[in-house]
Amino acid sequence: GQQVMQIPQYQHVQEGEDFTTYCNSSTTLSNIQWYKQRPGGHPVFLIQLVKSGEVKKQKRLTFQFGEAKKNSSLHITATQTTDVGTYFCADQFYFGTGTSLTVIP
Amino acid sequence: GAVVSQHPSWVICKSGTSVKIECRSLDFQATTMFWYRQFPKQSLMLMATSNEGSKATYEQGVEKDKFLINHASLTLSTLTVTSAHPEDSSFYICSANHRDHSYEQYFGPGTRLTVT
Repeated sequence: GQQVMQIPQYQHVQEGEDFTTYCNSSTTLSNIQWYKQRPGGHPVFLIQLVKSGEVKKQKRLTFQFGEAKKNSSLHITATQTTDVGTYFCADQFYFGTGTSLTVIP
Repeated sequence: GAVVSQHPSWVICKSGTSVKIECRSLDFQATTMFWYRQFPKQSLMLMATSNEGSKATYEQGVEKDKFLINHASLTLSTLTVTSAHPEDSSFYICSANHRDHSYEQYFGPGTRLTVT
């Protein structure tokens, strides 16, 4: 199956700093999903983006879908220790490589 | 709503034996369930798509005779790892696709399999 690449693979930030993870596909995506997996846990659905250029917000999280529908990003403003985990984008049922976020108190 | 359970949460078995993992959607009917495998610090790899009442669809490279999937009802799918070997040790996670929510998946808590 296809794989969507994510960068960076790892990110360490000080609490209060912002964080962004990028998701890139070589093919046009019909839609994209974002999940969060806490250490030792299972993925939890965050959001789905469908429209070209779509921007959705969930509190401190901002999700964007590129105009060409080949990339997406997740931005977290003012990170908190509760944001720790691995963030995955998914092309339908195929998961991206993930970005592991560590927040230093 | 949309809770998925998995049993067992962990299992240790001897090489050559078979292990069955159950995945249940507790409060909704799942026409489709998915089985993933995840190695430490890696992404989830889709193994197969399980459809109620029909044969599972396996991803390329996944041995269907080794990973037997049965989806007997709208709330239960099982994965049997046959003749397990140490290299089959991994974290197996199932998910269910709610009928009304396209690609939104609800994941079970996962099963940690260790083959000795």
